[in-house]
Amino acid sequence: EAQVTQNPRYLITVTGKKLTVTCSQNMNHEYMSWYRQDPGLGLRQIYYSMNVEVTDKGDVPEGYKVSRKEKRNFPLILESPSPNQTSLYFCASRSGSRGNTIYFGEGSWLTVV
Amino acid sequence: DAKTTQPNSMESNEEEPVHLPCNHSTISGTDYIHWYRQLPSQGPEYVIHGLTSNVNNRMASLAIAEDRKSSTLILHRATLRDAAVYYCILRTAYNNNDMRFGAGTRLTVKP
Repeated sequence: EAQVTQNPRYLITVTGKKLTVTCSQNMNHEYMSWYRQDPGLGLRQIYYSMNVEVTDKGDVPEGYKVSRKEKRNFPLILESPSPNQTSLYFCASRSGSRGNTIYFGEGSWLTVV
Repeated sequence: DAKTTQPNSMESNEEEPVHLPCNHSTISGTDYIHWYRQLPSQGPEYVIHGLTSNVNNRMASLAIAEDRKSSTLILHRATLRDAAVYYCILRTAYNNNDMRFGAGTRLTVKP
């Protein structure tokens, strides 16, 4: 079954404590991306990756890091989380063809206190 | 980058057709038009996509204007389960970052 898997699904953490949200896809997709979703603001892209070792900033990259060492994994790193990073996060992937579907993970609810 | 414009919200009555518009006046000739929807507390899911011709699938129909500067997602008989945020995005040929979403249209379906 085609899947994008995110972990953790729910997390409450404290300001400044580094955390990583993992994302893995089993479809051998080249493209992966991270989004955050806040009330009234839709999906905003944080970072994206076109392939292994190729990453670039999206619309709201401040406070986040990513890496793409393997094709299937695209972790999102919050080095020093702050309360304004409390949000719902989605990972997504797609294959190289422009006509192909984007697949989303189930989301990770992150609260920074 | 080619952008899309959608109304912030729309309402529909259950079992009536719904036409969700999307404007993309700067679309280029090889851009695909995609629609996704996001149900409450879920990740977005694919609905339909097209290039030039109208498209139908089990979920919806996509009507694309002749000049391709606008498109309409058609839900033939809205149900309460169709209440969601609907996103229209372009998959652009010249920008590899074609996974960007806007704010979408929030569809409310009234019983």
